Amino acid sequence: GAVVSQHPSWVICKSGTSVKIECRSLDFQATTMFWYRQFPKQSLMLMATSNEGSKATYEQGVEKDKFLINHASLTLSTLTVTSAHPEDSSFYICSARDEGIWQYFGPGTRLTVL
Amino acid sequence: GNSVTQMEGPVTLSEEAFLTINCTYTATGYPSLFWYVQYPGEGLQLLLKATKADDKGSNKGFEATYRKETTSFHLEKGSVQVSDSAVYFCALGLNTGGFKTIFGAGTRLFVKA
Repeated sequence: GAVVSQHPSWVICKSGTSVKIECRSLDFQATTMFWYRQFPKQSLMLMATSNEGSKATYEQGVEKDKFLINHASLTLSTLTVTSAHPEDSSFYICSARDEGIWQYFGPGTRLTVL
Repeated sequence: GNSVTQMEGPVTLSEEAFLTINCTYTATGYPSLFWYVQYPGEGLQLLLKATKADDKGSNKGFEATYRKETTSFHLEKGSVQVSDSAVYFCALGLNTGGFKTIFGAGTRLFVKA
């Protein structure tokens, strides 16, 4: 089946630094990738949708300058959390969709900002 | 608007008990419906899906039927195992100017030996 990987799986950083998370579709070309955020014991909240080669579409309330998304190729999207603060600590999950309608989810990246 | 409502957890069952997790939805158009499972510390895995009314999705002993008349997609399993302990998310997918998945709040299931 379709596999989506994320790197790193966990990261700890100091407040004020930036962190980049990669999302890759390993065996298919992802026309669309999605980034979600999940707080402990809560559901997934869609942050943004990105299509290869174009700007990401952010959900209401998500800061574009805070969460930079780049979808440079059909197999790679990156999320950069800029000037991270403790309140940005969360579980970030990406998903990728091919030309069909199914989304394939990555294993998630746990970010802890000290 | 589009939304998914699922029963609050946690749900605690003994091994071999019958499981039902209720899920209802509100949607414009004709959504696809999904159940995802999340094991501790992991991402989401698609458990089963249904794309149109009266479709039944099934996998690993779990099943759910797309009921348009009651806008429901309840998850059932006849005999749960300890390894089924996880969080289960009901979700709907809509293709309206771009495909989006909307998740319910999740239901945590604990199965005791």
